[in-house]
This record gives sequence, structure tokens and C-alpha cells, in this order.
Amino acid sequence: GAGVSQSPSNKVTEKGKDVELRCDPISGHTALYWYRQSLGQGLEFLIYFQGNSAPDKSGLPSDRFSAERTGGSVSTLTIQRTQQEDSAVYLCASSATGRNYGYTFGSGTRLTVV
Amino acid sequence: AQSVTQLGSHVSVSEGALVLLRCNYSSSVPPYLFWYVQYPNQGLQLLLKYTTGATLVKGINGFEAEFKKSETSFHLTKPSAHMSDAAEYFCAVSESGNTPLVFGKGTRLSVIA
Repeated sequence: GAGVSQSPSNKVTEKGKDVELRCDPISGHTALYWYRQSLGQGLEFLIYFQGNSAPDKSGLPSDRFSAERTGGSVSTLTIQRTQQEDSAVYLCASSATGRNYGYTFGSGTRLTVV
Repeated sequence: AQSVTQLGSHVSVSEGALVLLRCNYSSSVPPYLFWYVQYPNQGLQLLLKYTTGATLVKGINGFEAEFKKSETSFHLTKPSAHMSDAAEYFCAVSESGNTPLVFGKGTRLSVIA
């Protein structure tokens, strides 16, 4: 597509429920990233997919967080048993590699856990 | 490990005045450097980037940044601020074209009429 698409744009969930956040990257971008943005905390790296390689999960804050990328395209970030501290904006970005490296971000999903 | 420091979480300038947003980084290899802008309730948009070559990089909306290796800096400037420049600005570093960006905590720019 023309840009990175994220859905839903807003999600309110009850504490303890599971949520799924979706990211549809730019066609042809082999790299896909998830970040979390909390007020005053900047952007926190969560997970990185590059082509068919094993994902870099080093930023996931706990085992309640997981992500997958199907067919090298769409990605889903899943948060199990949500907690209030999970409330944040979750941003997805995709990128070409090499000299064209540079993220294109989606508009994000604002997650509120009540 | 890479890191980015943005000096000043909030910068306020008058309309027409010089904009200077500071960014210092640490990296064990020649870095890739980026500035992103985030307008309220929107995602991040690329302003400019440095990968190799000319150290003075020009971006969108009249912004530019200069890579100074000796100072490990990549400060963002614009000669004359507009009201529409009010936003959050993020500096970021990567060690290659294949690793995740590390972002600074951001600087919120306010422009006063």
C-alpha cells in the first residue's frame, strides 16, 4: 500500500484481557518494527522482523508480549493478560534496507487498559 | 550500545527566530542518523537522514542538520520558525541499515507568535 496502516486506531480494554494490534507495512519493505510510545518516555523498541530471519525480540518487556509476521507482510502484536502499565501508543514502522534505509511509521494504535 | 541524548525536553522560540534542537549520540561505528517529527495525534514523519557522504543534510520544511563526528552531534536547525513547526522532534541513531533505530526522548518545540 501507499503507507503503513495500523488497526485499530484506538483500543480500550479491560485489565486481564488479551488484545491484538495489526500492522500492514509498505509493499516491498522487508523490515518491520514495533515500538511503544509512552508519555515522556520516547519510543521504546519492542521487536524487529527482517525478511525470513528469526525476529529480534530483545525489546519485548515480558512474556505477555508476542508478535508474528505472516508471509513477510502483515504483522500482529499480541498482548496477553493486559495490565494498566501496558497503556501506550503502539507504533509500527517498515523500511527498505541498505541505502534506502529509513522508517515509515503508521499512525499508531492507542491502547488504554482500564 | 547506542544511545541518543536530546538536550531540552521543551524548546520555545518566537516566530521567525532560529530553531536549534540538539542531539548527541554514542555509537561504536559510523552511525546512520535521523530526525523525525511528530505532529499532535499523528505518527512520526521523516525530516531528514544522514547515512554517508555530505555531512550537512537538508530535509523537508526548511530543516537541516549537520553531522559532526568530532562532537558526536547531529543538531537540527531551521533559520526561521513558523507556527506550523510546533511539534515533537525525535533524533535517532542506527549502526547500519539493518538494525533498529534507537530514539532520543524527544524535544517538544513551541512557536510563539
